[in-house]
Amino acid sequence: AQSVTQPDIHITVSEGASLELRCNYSYGATPYLFWYVQSPGQGLQLLLKYFSGDTLVQGIKGFEAEFKRSQSSFNLRKPSVHWSDAAEYFCAVGARAGTASKLTFGTGTRLQVTL
Amino acid sequence: GAVVSQHPSWVICKSGTSVKIECRSLDFQATTMFWYRQFPKQSLMLMATSNEGSKATYEQGVEKDKFLINHASLTLSTLTVTSAHPEDSSFYICSATRQQETQYFGPGTRLLVL
Repeated sequence: AQSVTQPDIHITVSEGASLELRCNYSYGATPYLFWYVQSPGQGLQLLLKYFSGDTLVQGIKGFEAEFKRSQSSFNLRKPSVHWSDAAEYFCAVGARAGTASKLTFGTGTRLQVTL
Repeated sequence: GAVVSQHPSWVICKSGTSVKIECRSLDFQATTMFWYRQFPKQSLMLMATSNEGSKATYEQGVEKDKFLINHASLTLSTLTVTSAHPEDSSFYICSATRQQETQYFGPGTRLLVL
């Protein structure tokens, strides 16, 4: 069974500072990997995804993530954080299968941005 | 593209009543929809997978008779919480796939059972 670990429950960064959110996964084969963002009381918005190919993927809002198979990681990065980035971030792994993949989510990292 | 809506966005009901939540894919056909439940400050828990025209597949521990799921068309899935009780109060989120891999999420429905 797949699993996702987000070690950081809460992170605070200053506006303009760089950001890295950690995500480690466990899955027996090459996984589908996703990062979603959730604002309070809202649904989830897809930031980026990795299926195959280039291990550095670019997403929306200036986010990027790097798939490192040797470390079973898929960390999310942003070079300069904006106050509007404050939200909950979820990493998810999808099981590759013939039918639609089921996602397993991490517990989330809450990002706070100070001005 | 890939917009998913949910209705209602929030609902308050009395204990013992049933509540229906709709999930629609607005600009694509979704062969598969998923229903999740999210408790405050926690992650999403998958409740069931819904395929158009067939019975939903429920995750272990989810009562299929309590959480009725219908996926009557390629753009609509409904979740009915039957005989709701206060412990059913939660944030319910659906997602839809137009390809096999990527799920697009609705804005969620907050249910409060009094």
